[in-house]
Amino acid sequence: EAGVVQSPRYKIIEKKQPVAFWCNPISGHNTLYWYRQNLGQGPELLIRYENEEAVDDSQLPKDRFSAERLKGVDSTLKIQPAELGDSAVYLCASSSRTTGYLPYEQYFGPGTRLTVT
Amino acid sequence: LAKTTQPISMDSYEGQEVNITCSHNNIATNDYITWYQQFPSQGPRFIIQGYKTKVTNEVASLFIPADRKSSTLSLPRVSLSDTAVYYCLAQNAGGTSYGKLTFGQGTILTVHP
Repeated sequence: EAGVVQSPRYKIIEKKQPVAFWCNPISGHNTLYWYRQNLGQGPELLIRYENEEAVDDSQLPKDRFSAERLKGVDSTLKIQPAELGDSAVYLCASSSRTTGYLPYEQYFGPGTRLTVT
Repeated sequence: LAKTTQPISMDSYEGQEVNITCSHNNIATNDYITWYQQFPSQGPRFIIQGYKTKVTNEVASLFIPADRKSSTLSLPRVSLSDTAVYYCLAQNAGGTSYGKLTFGQGTILTVHP
């Protein structure tokens, strides 16, 4: 089974330019997450989708960041305009609610490393 | 969500058992303890999850005492390939925060030959 796919793997842009990241979750996973990971830190949740609905975007800097998951499958995260402080790894993860009570496992993609110069 | 505290780094040698302790003094009743592993240039990967007592899978064991204020991840006979960052998280199993992961800095485990 294919894992979470992200593209591109690396992106270098100049500040004030726009950038977009794409994520294709594991087939059948209705929940999709975008995280940002700064160097030496753990991932930080930016937004969580349940199907097409963004159910938790409290950590998304909405002045410059936007995300969409139009058909409840793949998703795009955009930054416009990018700032130097946006340099980080952007991770996508997906999961599927089980029939049980346990919190469900999240499957992460390899991430996109963004460098803003 | 409960805050977790774990050592910043640990060193071990091949073949040894490694125990990483995590403190979570204000863990909530419906929080589960979850551990993730992350290698360089990869996303985190789920290792193990538990609520209390002991859980074991093919990769690791997780020990959670009755008061649930701490937990210990045990990796038996580590190899060089176990060098990674290990994250301890309190994962909510109910309400609007269901399944939410809040990562800390993690523990950098370095395994030496």
